[in-house]
Parts: sequence; structure tokens; C-alpha cells
Amino acid sequence: EVQLVESGGGLVQPGGSLRLSCAASGFTFSGHWMHWVRQAPGKGLVWVSRINSDGSSTTYADSVKGRLTISRDNAKNTLHLQMNSLRAEDTAVYFCARGPYSGSGSYYVGDVWGQGTTVTVSS
Amino acid sequence: QSALTQPASVSGSPGQSITISCTGTSSDVGGYNYVSWYQQHPGKAPKLMIYEVSNRPSGVSNRFSGSKSGNTASLTISGLQTEDEADYYCSSFTSSSTWVFGGGTKLTVL
Repeated sequence: EVQLVESGGGLVQPGGSLRLSCAASGFTFSGHWMHWVRQAPGKGLVWVSRINSDGSSTTYADSVKGRLTISRDNAKNTLHLQMNSLRAEDTAVYFCARGPYSGSGSYYVGDVWGQGTTVTVSS
Repeated sequence: QSALTQPASVSGSPGQSITISCTGTSSDVGGYNYVSWYQQHPGKAPKLMIYEVSNRPSGVSNRFSGSKSGNTASLTISGLQTEDEADYYCSSFTSSSTWVFGGGTKLTVL
């Protein structure tokens, strides 16, 4: 079964750090782009970041650039999001999503999504 | 990058058809055929319904269809069913090599 499972969310103080993980199974993780998308309580989806299949290329939304870092460990089939200098506005459910297979020519965000992990930034 | 513009809500009766619009700019929707649509039920993860403007992933009902004209993309759901009641989001690749979502549309099946 193709599956993504996020972990690492929690309560953190403003200015603090957190590292999210997304464990992939049931597919060739190293062949796919991966994305992080977040959703603040009662709000819509917001794209956060994307990493290519071998980790050599990353892109970020302007709102998180310089504070959040996406990475992947293809040997462990795991995607990460290192979150530093957290702000109240980073409070959200964070989803990881499987992008298209590298070289497919497609550009959707995700055809497989995890259940999300909740990050709360508050003092 | 500003969010794509979607109507906040749409409604329809079972069996009817509805269309949700998604308006962007020439730097996103209008510039690429990389518009996708997602369905999200409350408390659940999003589900990909349409990609590359009009392509349906395997397993998605053919009652869902997508199109694009200029800077506006559209999702049409025909033969509305109660289980279609959900939030719908459009998304587009952009000229900055980033992605942007719409604000979301709440579909109510009356």
C-alpha cells in the first residue's frame, strides 16, 4: 500500500525549532519529487516547499524562505522539514505529498498525501 | 505569490452539475497547463481529482472534469452526489518555479 506518515509536530514557543518527518512506503520514494503543504486552522491549503527526487533542488514559498528547510533521505525513504525561527503564523497542519515521478513532465503537488501533523506555535 | 481566486462557496442539488472557477494570472494558470484540483473532506487529507488541467487520475469518477480558458481554470462536477460535498482547491505551477493554491471553495449538496 502506498503510504505517507508524518510525525514530529507539537507545541513550540515563538522563535523555536521543530523537525517534521514523513515516512514513505509502498513506492519508489527516490524517484518522486516531494512537497510540504500546510493548512492553518479553518483556512485553506498553502504550498510550502518542494524537493526534487535526489535532493539537489529545492524551492520555497516566500513566507518560509530562510526559516524552513526541506530535505530527504532516500536510503531511509524519509522526507524532512526543518523549521526554525517559528512564528505564530506557522501554526498549521503540515501535510507531505508525493509529487510526480522525476522526468514525467507533470507538475501537480500530490497524488498521495499523508494524514498531516499539527504544529502549534504559542507561548 | 498571491493565492488563486475561487468562489467561497457553491451549491447544487443531487443530479445537477456545478462549476467552480479558479482565476490566476499569466504567470501561473494562464502560462502553464499545470492546473490541478483537490477535494478535501473535513479532517481529511486532500485528494487529487484533476491534473494538467483536464486529466483524471485512475480511480476518479468521470463525473469530474477540468478545463481552462486564458487565466481561468474550471472544475465541473456532473451528476452531483451527496458524497461530493467537500472543499475544493485549485493549484497551479508558477513562473517562479513554485506552486500556488486557490483559497478553496466549499461545495454544498442541497
